[in-house]
Amino acid sequence: DGGITQSPKYLFRKEGQNVTLSCEQNLNHDAMYWYRQDPGQGLRLIYYSQIVNDFQKGDIAEGYSVSREKKESFPLTVTSAQKNPTAFYLCASSRTLADNTIYFGEGSWLTVV
Amino acid sequence: GQQVMQIPQYQHVQEGEDFTTYCNSSTTLSNIQWYKQRPGGHPVFLIQLVKSGEVKKQKRLTFQFGEAKKNSSLHITATQTTDVGTYFCAWTGSNTGKLIFGQGTTLQVKP
Repeated sequence: DGGITQSPKYLFRKEGQNVTLSCEQNLNHDAMYWYRQDPGQGLRLIYYSQIVNDFQKGDIAEGYSVSREKKESFPLTVTSAQKNPTAFYLCASSRTLADNTIYFGEGSWLTVV
Repeated sequence: GQQVMQIPQYQHVQEGEDFTTYCNSSTTLSNIQWYKQRPGGHPVFLIQLVKSGEVKKQKRLTFQFGEAKKNSSLHITATQTTDVGTYFCAWTGSNTGKLIFGQGTTLQVKP
């Protein structure tokens, strides 16, 4: 069953803690992305990766970090430096960066308590 | 710089009525994509338009790309409750080459 798997779907975090969101894809896609969506808002790009061992900052990278050690995996860490982390996080992938038809995972809801 | 506006932000219609959402750009777009996000769900790719004046149909959905490639629309004929959700246009940024999403139009359908 091909697709993008995000976990966990719901996560609660205490202020001051780092948390890592998992994203795995078995589509053999080179490019992967992390977006943030706030209620009633559009999608904002946090980080993207064109290929293994490469990643670039998006529009709102501050307070986040990523790694791309394997083609299939692109985890996102929300650090304590992120001032307002409560949001819906969407991982996505595309065949290549140029072929930017994007396929999304089901998302992870992060709530800071 | 490139500015793209998606309108309206919200639309409430009676079931059976038509619905249209628009994306309007200040500059020429190389392509435009449309996505649908159901409430509580994730965005799902619907279609990509590339050619000037292109029109594509998917059942009750009609997608258009303007002749000047500055405007695009998504039209739904005879809405159904299954059409409820937020519709996003997205385009490739002229400076970055990355996909940028519009603010979305949220459609509510009254049965």
